Amino acid sequence: LAKTTQPISMDSYEGQEVNITCSHNNIATNDYITWYQQFPSQGPRFIIQGYKTKVTNEVASLFIPADRKSSTLSLPRVSLSDTAVYYCLVGDMGYGNKLVFGAGTILRVKS
Amino acid sequence: ETGVTQSPTHLIKTRGQQVTLRCSSQSGHNTVSWYQQALGQGPQFIFQYYREEENGRGNFPPRFSGLQFPNYSSELNVNALELDDSALYLCASSDQLAGGPGSEQYFGPGTRLTVT
Repeated sequence: LAKTTQPISMDSYEGQEVNITCSHNNIATNDYITWYQQFPSQGPRFIIQGYKTKVTNEVASLFIPADRKSSTLSLPRVSLSDTAVYYCLVGDMGYGNKLVFGAGTILRVKS
Repeated sequence: ETGVTQSPTHLIKTRGQQVTLRCSSQSGHNTVSWYQQALGQGPQFIFQYYREEENGRGNFPPRFSGLQFPNYSSELNVNALELDDSALYLCASSDQLAGGPGSEQYFGPGTRLTVT
């Protein structure tokens, strides 16, 4: 499974757009890119998944360049409640949905 | 539709003891995975069950074992507890075995295990 690299932490203010970039230089052809969010003492929650180009849902956008060696999670107009740890995962997940989590990015949103 | 539930919420055990953690998967989901999350780290995959059979295992010793029942609920058993087993244990369910689009996993709130 491809190794991912994310910033350890990021700070933002309410109402700003936040972009978290993940590097995955060894991504394989069959790999998908998935982002999860985790609040303290809770299980991770699925945010978004993509393979290439751009994916958007009601909470976030995921930008994936043509070489797929990185991806950027974009959170529009963050609020205090978006303070959490964000995990970037890469894998074909063919091994029965096994998820490999890295250390994640701690996002702190301030007022 | 009920989400993934886990019991107990918190648990304190002594080194050397055994513990059983329980998970009820989301309605309609036939796959359950267990993860261990130490403080300040990302979750680490322990193993997965699909239709009552183990389907994949992470780098955990045999004293970590599990079961899945016909209703797809699951148990995680840990024997001979060690201090390093102190962690948040997460259960996740999904309705697909293979990955790819739509392979979203739904996590429960976890069980906080403290080994003293």
